[in-house]
Amino acid sequence: RKEVEQDPGPFNVPEGATVAFNCTYSNSASQSFFWYRQDCRKEPKLLMSVYSSGNEDGRFTAQLNRASQYISLLIRDSKLSDSATYLCVVRLTGGGNKLTFGTGTQLKVEL
Amino acid sequence: EAQVTQNPRYLITVTGKKLTVTCSQNMNHEYMSWYRQDPGLGLRQIYYSMNVEVTDKGDVPEGYKVSRKEKRNFPLILESPSPNQTSLYFCASRTRVGIAANEKLFFGSGTQLSVL
Repeated sequence: RKEVEQDPGPFNVPEGATVAFNCTYSNSASQSFFWYRQDCRKEPKLLMSVYSSGNEDGRFTAQLNRASQYISLLIRDSKLSDSATYLCVVRLTGGGNKLTFGTGTQLKVEL
Repeated sequence: EAQVTQNPRYLITVTGKKLTVTCSQNMNHEYMSWYRQDPGLGLRQIYYSMNVEVTDKGDVPEGYKVSRKEKRNFPLILESPSPNQTSLYFCASRTRVGIAANEKLFFGSGTQLSVL
């Protein structure tokens, strides 16, 4: 089982739609959780951290469920510019506080 | 401007010819890391460094070397490149590990390496 698993997609949605991605992680000792956005062949950029109580940043909402070991990302009112790959990232304690990346979920927002 | 600078952006080489990919950051970050990204495998860590003269293996260190003689630079060295090292490489940095508020990882723009 992969340490961090994501549905690769692609998710093709019309502009204005609401779309949700899930990500599961296998190590219960995971400490921190993040969503990164990566445009085609470019560097990943931090979209948002994921906090235990859930958090929101504009049209983006992230949730963490420690009991079931998954995190989610909800995008409301999708824009064409949201088309990208979304990477789920998990940090463990120790070992340099290693970050483990999921393989990403591809989102395509269409007119 | 705060940034991580990687060079070159594209590199085509032949098997066995030593090469170095440079990485430099101007944010005084303690932590630096190299990743490779391959289709279906995501980003995998090659080496990381917690500070000057401190380096450790990541998940896929075979065939790579690094050094951290100065805080700002963290070059990736391929002594004898092979075709299975064809990949997209990213350097990244962040501030001292353990400060939760500063966990953001800053990436360089990537190096697409092709080994023929």
